[in-house]
Amino acid sequence: AQSVSQHNHHVILSEAASLELGCNYSYGGTVNLFWYVQYPGQHLQLLLKYFSGDPLVKGIKGFEAEFIKSKFSFNLRKPSVQWSDTAEYFCAVRPPGAGSYQLTFGKGTKLSVIP
Amino acid sequence: DGGITQSPKYLFRKEGQNVTLSCEQNLNHDAMYWYRQDPGQGLRLIYYSQIVNDFQKGDIAEGYSVSREKKESFPLTVTSAQKNPTAFYLCATRIGRGQGTDTQYFGPGTRLTVL
Repeated sequence: AQSVSQHNHHVILSEAASLELGCNYSYGGTVNLFWYVQYPGQHLQLLLKYFSGDPLVKGIKGFEAEFIKSKFSFNLRKPSVQWSDTAEYFCAVRPPGAGSYQLTFGKGTKLSVIP
Repeated sequence: DGGITQSPKYLFRKEGQNVTLSCEQNLNHDAMYWYRQDPGQGLRLIYYSQIVNDFQKGDIAEGYSVSREKKESFPLTVTSAQKNPTAFYLCATRIGRGQGTDTQYFGPGTRLTVL
């Protein structure tokens, strides 16, 4: 079955460490790609998205992601994490031809940042 | 105050009872979605609606029902046929069709516990 894979279930980092969260998808053709974040006790909110153009996308709070079509990947990065980045991160894909802009989500990666 | 409202935040029901979860929006968005979130499972689409009086099944619609009588409202009923209803339920909206309108906006969620 076609899917979205997030490689890490739980990542633990110290403050100021660099972050990279992996996301791979198995759909061919043109996809739209998203990263959402869920801070403890808060709504799921959009971090960044890719539709077309520059494959390096910058989002809120210093996050960025790179779309590598040949690798079917859309990894999320941040050069220096803060304690406030502790949250759960979800990669989502709008597959080609998806009705009503349906999204398929990965299972999420929990990030814990230690002060 | 604009946004997406889901009520209540916590809901408890006895096994065998139907329960309806509320989702209201005043964003004037056309499309609405219901997702279920389970630990380590990510978000899975239950139902979605593009316009009033129209809705489609998502990936895990069995045991659920919806209605879309008003643009602002998209209630979800969890029926007694749903085998494992205890979960966190998220409602989302999307502005409508067109380029750059893929982004879904999420409500605060309702945590349903069936005893």
